[in-house]
Amino acid sequence: DAKTTQPTSMDCAEGRAANLPCNHSTISGNEYVYWYRQIHSQGPQYIIHGLKNNETNEMASLIITEDRKSSTLILPHATLRDTAVYYCIVRVFDSNYQLIWGAGTKLIIKP
Amino acid sequence: DSGVTQTPKHLITATGQRVTLRCSPRSGDLSVYWYQQSLDQGLQFLIQYYNGEERAKGNILERFSAQQFPDLHSELNLSSLELGDSALYFCASSLSGYSYNEQFFGPGTRLTVL
Repeated sequence: DAKTTQPTSMDCAEGRAANLPCNHSTISGNEYVYWYRQIHSQGPQYIIHGLKNNETNEMASLIITEDRKSSTLILPHATLRDTAVYYCIVRVFDSNYQLIWGAGTKLIIKP
Repeated sequence: DSGVTQTPKHLITATGQRVTLRCSPRSGDLSVYWYQQSLDQGLQFLIQYYNGEERAKGNILERFSAQQFPDLHSELNLSSLELGDSALYFCASSLSGYSYNEQFFGPGTRLTVL
C-alpha cells in the first residue's frame, strides 16, 4: 500500500473549517483513501473514504486531487470536540491487506 | 458508542505473567481485529479473525495468541509479558472479512506491565 505523509500537528480556530492535508504521491489506481480519527486514546473512529471523486458525509468532506497524489479532509465547522489525531490511510479496496496506520496529524481546535 | 465492548478497561500485571483481553464485536459483525498502540505511536495491526477463523496476521509476537469463539467474541492472550508490552490494546469489528469495510473500534484495554 502507498505511503502517506501528513503534518505532525495543526491548529484551527473553533467555528472555522479545518483542512487536513495528506500526501500519497505513490498511490495506485485501485487504492482508496481512508480517514480515521482518534480522540485522546479512545478507539479510532472512521470518518470517510474515497477513490477519486470528492466525498461528503455528515462528519466531513474529502477532496482528492485529480492526479490522486494528495487529498484534503475538511471539517466544515470545527468544534473543540474535533481535537484529535487524524489518520490518512491508503489501501487496496478489495485486498486482504490491512490498514497501515502512520503517526497522523494532531489537530488542536482553539477557542 | 461504537457497539464494540472490551474488558477489562485497565490491567496491571508483572513481567512474566499471562493475561487475557476480551472483545465483543458489534451485533452482526463477523470480523474482529486486534491492534496494539504503544505510547504516542500509531496503531499496529496484530491479527484478524473472521467468523471463527484466522483471516490475516500482522506483527503479532509468538508470545501472543488470539481466538474467536462461536458466539463471535474474541480473546487476545498475552504471555511471558515484558515491560515493552505495556500499551493500549484495541479491538475492532467489521461486517465482512475485508478490512476495507468500516472498522468500529472498542474503547481499548490499557495494559501496564511492571
